[in-house]
Amino acid sequence: GAGVSQSPRYKVAKRGQDVALRCDPISGHVSLFWYQQALGQGPEFLTYFQNEAQLDKSGLPSDRFFAERPEGSVSTLKIQRTQQEDSAVYLCASSSAGWGGTDTQYFGPGTRLTVL
Amino acid sequence: AQSVTQPDIHITVSEGASLELRCNYSYGATPYLFWYVQSPGQGLQLLLKYFSGDTLVQGIKGFEAEFKRSQSSFNLRKPSVHWSDAAEYFCAVVLMEYGNKLVFGAGTILRVKS
Repeated sequence: GAGVSQSPRYKVAKRGQDVALRCDPISGHVSLFWYQQALGQGPEFLTYFQNEAQLDKSGLPSDRFFAERPEGSVSTLKIQRTQQEDSAVYLCASSSAGWGGTDTQYFGPGTRLTVL
Repeated sequence: AQSVTQPDIHITVSEGASLELRCNYSYGATPYLFWYVQSPGQGLQLLLKYFSGDTLVQGIKGFEAEFKRSQSSFNLRKPSVHWSDAAEYFCAVVLMEYGNKLVFGAGTILRVKS
C-alpha cells in the first residue's frame, strides 16, 4: 500500500487479556517505530526496529510489552495481561533511514486500545 | 532531561487571521526538528522539518517555521488560517545521540472560529 497501515483500528480488552496489534509499514522502509499516545498527550516512543533487529526498546513500560518484526516488514506489538493504564492509541511509523540517520517518519492511523 | 515544550495547550484564532504556535527544546546540541499535525481519528502528518541550512523552512498547507538557535525555538506560523486547519499540532525533535526516535511535545489544539 501507499502508506502505513495498522490493525485493528479499535480494540477493547478486558483487564488481564492479551492483545496483539499489527503494523504494515511502507514497502522498503528499513526503520519501524512504535509509539504510545495517552489521551491528551503527545506520542511517546516505545521501541525501534531496523529491519528485523530490535535496536532500541528503551521505551517499553514493562515486560508485559513485547514487539517483533521477524521478516523485517510487518511488526506486531503484543501486550500481555493488559491493565487499565495500557489504554491509549498505539501508533506505528516507518522511515527509509536506518540507525544513525534520520528522515521523515510516516505514521499509520493508530490502534485505539481500551482496557476495561 | 531532554524535553520539548509547547507552552500553549489551546489556541483559538479567527479564520483568516495569522497563527503562531510555539515550540522550545532543551538540548545542548541542535536536534533535527519537525512539526506534525493530527486531525481527529487520523494519524500524524508531517508539515515540515528542519535538518540544517536555511533556518526558515516552508511546509505543506502554507505553513512555515523558523529555527532560532539562540532561543532554542522552532515556532510554526501561517499567515492566514483556514477552518480546515483546526487540529492538534505537535512539535518533535530527533537527537541522534539518543537514537533516531522522535521526542514529542504535548501538543497544541488549534480551534478556528468563523
